[in-house]
Amino acid sequence: NAGVTQTPKFRILKIGQSMTLQCTQDMNHNYMYWYRQDPGMGLKLIYYSVGAGITDKGEVPNGYNVSRSTTEDFPLRLELAAPSQTSVYFCASSYHARGNEQFFGPGTRLTVL
Amino acid sequence: GENVEQHPSTLSVQEGDSAVIKCTYSDSASNYFPWYKQELGKGPQLIIDIRSNVGEKKDQRIAVTLNKTAKHFSLHITETQPEDSAVYFCAASTGNRDDKIIFGKGTRLHILP
Repeated sequence: NAGVTQTPKFRILKIGQSMTLQCTQDMNHNYMYWYRQDPGMGLKLIYYSVGAGITDKGEVPNGYNVSRSTTEDFPLRLELAAPSQTSVYFCASSYHARGNEQFFGPGTRLTVL
Repeated sequence: GENVEQHPSTLSVQEGDSAVIKCTYSDSASNYFPWYKQELGKGPQLIIDIRSNVGEKKDQRIAVTLNKTAKHFSLHITETQPEDSAVYFCAASTGNRDDKIIFGKGTRLHILP
């Protein structure tokens, strides 16, 4: 199993540009999550999904959108990039939300200039 | 909602000594408390977790203690080694269907030679 994979690893965007961060898991997990990690600030939940076709907002959803058309994929869309979205983005998955281990991808480092 | 406080933000210990990281949580309904380790350039990885029906759990050099009355839990690493240098995150969850795990801000642990 590859686990949770994310692409790209690094990206530089100009203000106002759009992009999609890709996330795929091959563990047949129901739950998937997107976090952002700012320096010294821990992990903040952006969006999560409890299964294909179902998504919900986390703590910091503004400026982002997600979709979950399959169990495996959970892309994160930035429509109008802003400098405040400069961060490291992690995708994670778990079999179940109730006290189950979350498996994290390697992250995408995004810089918005 | 749940709030998790983690201390200290940075910790330096001599190789071979013990390290202790402490967390407090606010929601008395929380019943699942995982600890994640994040090495440089990687995503967080679960190292140990504890549930509310247990007061202490140990796995080789790592142990976690939980005091539900005081709403705090701690990570103990004994006989520290260079590979223990990393950022450690505590987290808390109520385990409800749509519940999310709330992370602390992290502790950067330095093992000094």
